[in-house]
Parts: sequence; C-alpha cells; structure tokens
Amino acid sequence: ELKVEQNPLFLSMQEGKNYTIYCNYSTTSDRLYWYRQDPGKSLESLFVLLSNGAVKQEGRLMASLDTKARLSTLHITAAVHDLSATYFCAVSYSGAGSYQLTFGKGTKLSVIP
Amino acid sequence: GAGVSQSPSNKVTEKGKDVELRCDPISGHTALYWYRQSLGQGLEFLIYFQGNSAPDKSGLPSDRFSAERTGGSVSTLTIQRTQQEDSAVYLCASSSRREGHREQFFGPGTRLTVL
Repeated sequence: ELKVEQNPLFLSMQEGKNYTIYCNYSTTSDRLYWYRQDPGKSLESLFVLLSNGAVKQEGRLMASLDTKARLSTLHITAAVHDLSATYFCAVSYSGAGSYQLTFGKGTKLSVIP
Repeated sequence: GAGVSQSPSNKVTEKGKDVELRCDPISGHTALYWYRQSLGQGLEFLIYFQGNSAPDKSGLPSDRFSAERTGGSVSTLTIQRTQQEDSAVYLCASSSRREGHREQFFGPGTRLTVL
C-alpha cells in the first residue's frame, strides 16, 4: 500500500523567512505532485516531478525529487502572505494501470506579516 | 469548457436519502477520477475511469457508492442511503491520454452535508 507522509502538518512563518516542507512516500512511484489549496477552493497544480533529481521552480517555490530516498521537498524562499494556503504532495505509479493519486495529509502554511 | 465542472456546488441532504453528484471533465480527456476530501480522512481516491475500460473501483468505501460514466464524458457519482460520515467535499479530476496522464486537473468540488 502506497503511503505518503508530509511534515510539518502546520507551519507558521514570518514574511521573508525560508522554510522547507518534506514529503516521504513508501513504495515505488514515478510521479510526484505538489498542489496548493486555498480555503474553500479546489486543488491547484503547482509542480509535477517525473524523474530522480528533478527540480522545478516557480516564483518563491522550488520543488525537488529524490526517488532513491523516496523524498520530495517544497522549499519556500522569502515567504510572503500570499503563500498562505494548504500544500499537498501526492504520488502515483503509472505501472499500476491506474493513475490514481495518493495524497499526504497536507501542510497548512500561515505566513505572518 | 475550459476546465472540469461539477454540480451541484453544495448539497444538503437528510440521512438515508440518495444523492447524485455530476462531473463534466475537460473535453478530450479520457481519464476521469473521483476523490473525497474530509476532515478525518484527508484526500482519498474513490474511482477511476479510463476510456471504455472497466473502472477501477478500489477506493469506493462501501456498496452504497457507485459511479458511471456515460459516453466517455460526463460522470455521475451516486451515494445511496447517505450517512453522516459521507459528509465531505467530492472532487472530480480528469487527465489526457495524449499527455500520458501526466497531470490531473481538478474541478471545484461538491460539498455534501448529510444531516
């Protein structure tokens, strides 16, 4: 059974600071996703990571993937209030025949002015 | 349409009633997924449709839950004899076979409240 663990689950940080959210998964996966969810809204895709060593950046967010360690990180640089949201990582394995996503519990990020 | 649409956006029902939730995927997307988001269980996979293949129903929590996809497009998720623990946001997503199902695009969700 594929399991995904995120930490921390809650993160309160000051504007301008840096922090990293971690995502560990339990078994083989060839696709790692990061989503953002604002309160009362649906999931917005941030990054799709498909290979070992993949690194993607968008604005103040950077995601990386280490398939050998089964670990992905989402790094936040110089946080701003607009980044306050819940961030989910999710994994899937294309070899399973179904592309269903298994999600972590999410990290609720609050950026304090 | 530009994205995945779902209806209704909110549904309040009484325990024991049946409900139907609708999902309209992105045009041309062959794969369609249903997920459920609840406070206690987080985001869970329910069911997956791909073209004309038999659906993957491995995530359905009980036999009260069923789904169909007509004509390879619109999907309906039906919950019979609703229970309070069915209260959740039901999310639909679709993906494109041409793009190797690399990315799933989510709809706005249906918030179901069972009284």
